[in-house]
Amino acid sequence: SAVISQKPSRDICQRGTSLTIQCQVDSQVTMMFWYRQQPGQSLTLIATANQGSEATYESGFVIDKFPISRPNLTFSTLTVSNMSPEDSSIYLCSVDIPSSEKLFFGSGTQLSVL
Amino acid sequence: DAKTTQPTSMDCAEGRAANLPCNHSTISGNEYVYWYRQIHSQGPQYIIHGLKNNETNEMASLIITEDRKSSTLILPHATLRDTAVYYCIVRGYNFNKFYFGSGTKLNVKP
Repeated sequence: SAVISQKPSRDICQRGTSLTIQCQVDSQVTMMFWYRQQPGQSLTLIATANQGSEATYESGFVIDKFPISRPNLTFSTLTVSNMSPEDSSIYLCSVDIPSSEKLFFGSGTQLSVL
Repeated sequence: DAKTTQPTSMDCAEGRAANLPCNHSTISGNEYVYWYRQIHSQGPQYIIHGLKNNETNEMASLIITEDRKSSTLILPHATLRDTAVYYCIVRGYNFNKFYFGSGTKLNVKP
C-alpha cells in the first residue's frame, strides 16, 4: 500500500487567485494522477503527472489552467490558476502501485472559491 | 476502456447482504473489473478486483458472469458504515488510468 499526504486539506480562495496543492507519497511510485470531484459528482481525471516531463492532460483540461509539477518519484503539485467559483471542488491525488495492481488515493483538498 | 452502467442508488437493511450490480457489456478480454467506494468526501477506497474468476477478500465478494458483460459486488453483512458511493470501473491491464462512472449510492438502513 501507500500513504499519501495532501496539503492543504481545505482552503477558501478569492476568485482570480491561484492555489497550489501538494501530494507527497511515502514510497517511490511510477504513476501519479490528479482528479477533480465537483459537488455531488463523480471523479474526473485531470491529468497524469509524469516524472521529468510534462503532464499528460485529459480532454477538457489544459496546462495553463492546471499546471502540474512532478520533480521526483514521491512528490507532485497541482496548481489551480485564475480561479473562479466553478473551480470549487475536491481535488484528489492518486498513485498507482504496480505490484498491487491498485490505485490509492489521498484524502483530497476541498477548495471553495468565492 | 469499457463503459460501465450502475443503478443510481440502492437501499439495504443492516445485517443483510448488499448486492450491487454493474453492466460492462463492451469489456474486452484483457480488461479487469475494479470496485471502489467513497464514504462522504473522502478519497476512494479500493474494495476488490477481478478478471474472469470470482474473487473474495475480507471486505467483499466479486461475481463476474461467464460472458464477463456484468458483475456483482456482494457485501455479505452490510453495516451502517458501508453507506457510501460504490464505483465499478473497467481497466485495461496495460493502461494505468482509472475512469470513474457515476457509481451507486448504497444506503444501509437500521
